[in-house]
Amino acid sequence: GAVVSQHPSRVICKSGTSVKIECRSLDFQATTMFWYRQFPKQSLMLMATSNEGSKATYEQGVEKDKFLINHASLTLSTLTVTSAHPEDSSFYICSARDWSSGGAGTQYFGPGTRLLVL
Amino acid sequence: GQQLNQSPQSMFIQEGEDVSMNCTSSSIFNTWLWYKQEPGEGPVLLIALYKAGELTSNGRLTAQFGITRKDSFLNISASIPSDVGIYFCAGQSYPGGGADGLTFGKGTHLIIQP
Repeated sequence: GAVVSQHPSRVICKSGTSVKIECRSLDFQATTMFWYRQFPKQSLMLMATSNEGSKATYEQGVEKDKFLINHASLTLSTLTVTSAHPEDSSFYICSARDWSSGGAGTQYFGPGTRLLVL
Repeated sequence: GQQLNQSPQSMFIQEGEDVSMNCTSSSIFNTWLWYKQEPGEGPVLLIALYKAGELTSNGRLTAQFGITRKDSFLNISASIPSDVGIYFCAGQSYPGGGADGLTFGKGTHLIIQP
C-alpha cells in the first residue's frame, strides 16, 4: 500500500510555544490530507481536512487559529499547534487519500506524532 | 454527527480461535474500512469495502459491507499472537466528489491468551 510519513515522531515543548508537524505522502500525490487527534485509550477524532491549494476545513469545535494547516504541495501538509498548552498533549495522526483505487479513494495513515506539552 | 458503534470493546481469546467484531451506524456510509493499530503507531489499513454486500478477504481476515450500508463485520480466523492490537472500523460518506474524513468506531482491543 501507499506510504505516509510524519515528522517528528515525538516532540516535547514548553507551554506557550508553537509546534509544527509534517505529513508527507511518499509514493503518491494527495490533493486531500486529513488530521486526526487521538487521546489515550480513545478512538481517532477528525480535526480538519487539508486541501492542496486552498483553505483547510475544520471540524466543529476545532479552533482554526490554534491549529494552523498548510497544504503547500501535493505531497506535504503541515499542522502547527500554536501557543500549545498541556491539554493539547495528544497523539496527532495524519492521513492522505490515494485515489488510484477508484471510488472514494483510500486513506493511508502516517505513524503519528506524540506531542507532550509541559 | 454520525456515530459508529463498534463491538465488542475487548476480546480475550485463545490462540487458534476465530474472532468476530462488527460496527453499526446510525446513517449510511458509502465506504467501510477496517484498520489495525498497535501502540504508538498509526492505523494500518486491513480491508477496504466499497460496495454494499461486498465480501472481501485478506489472508485470514474477512470483512463484509452490510446490505443496508449501515453495518460491517470483520472476522479473523485461526488467531495468532501477532493479531494482538486494536481494530477500528471506519466509515466514509463521500457525498459525490466530497472529501470527507473518516468516522471511526471506538475500537476492539484484541488480546490473545497463549
